[in-house]
Amino acid sequence: AQSVTQPDIHITVSEGASLELRCNYSYGATPYLFWYVQSPGQGLQLLLKYFSGDTLVQGIKGFEAEFKRSQSSFNLRKPSVHWSDAAEYFCAVGAPMKGNKLVFGAGTILRVKS
Amino acid sequence: DTAVSQTPKYLVTQMGNDKSIKCEQNLGHDTMYWYKQDSKKFLKIMFSYNNKELIINETVPNRFSPKSPDKAHLNLHINSLELGDSAVYFCASSQLQRNEQFFGPGTRLTVL
Repeated sequence: AQSVTQPDIHITVSEGASLELRCNYSYGATPYLFWYVQSPGQGLQLLLKYFSGDTLVQGIKGFEAEFKRSQSSFNLRKPSVHWSDAAEYFCAVGAPMKGNKLVFGAGTILRVKS
Repeated sequence: DTAVSQTPKYLVTQMGNDKSIKCEQNLGHDTMYWYKQDSKKFLKIMFSYNNKELIINETVPNRFSPKSPDKAHLNLHINSLELGDSAVYFCASSQLQRNEQFFGPGTRLTVL
């Protein structure tokens, strides 16, 4: 069965500093991987996705993520964080052979200090 | 021109009542989903429909019944509401072959 681990429940970074949010997955085949962001009281917005091909994927809002099969990881990065990036971030793995269900990690809350 | 919409946004009701949440997507997708986000923000899939056919049915009490009248709509009916049903319910849609799911704004259900 697929699973996702986000080891960091909370992360605090200073505005302008770089960011890396960790995500490890477990899935028996080539996974589909996603990062979503949820602002307080809002729905989930897709930041970026990996299906195949280039292991470094670019997303919206200046985010990128790198798929590392050997480490079963899909970490999210941003070179310079803005105060508006404060939100909760969810990593998810999709199972195309199982009706496309997404299994989400527990989320990482990002706080940005000025 | 909202992509995935849900109504209502908030729902407050008493234990034992029956309620429904509606979801509509205008993206032309063939697959729709219901997810539950609990008080700890953990998201878990409940159901998925592809072209009006149920394809995912996770371990959910049978008090929950999804209904898909057409590809653009997926409603969730909940009978005999319990305190533990309090959560945010998200609808999502995608093309089955793409699995890039787009989420609605959520419905916050509070059972008193």
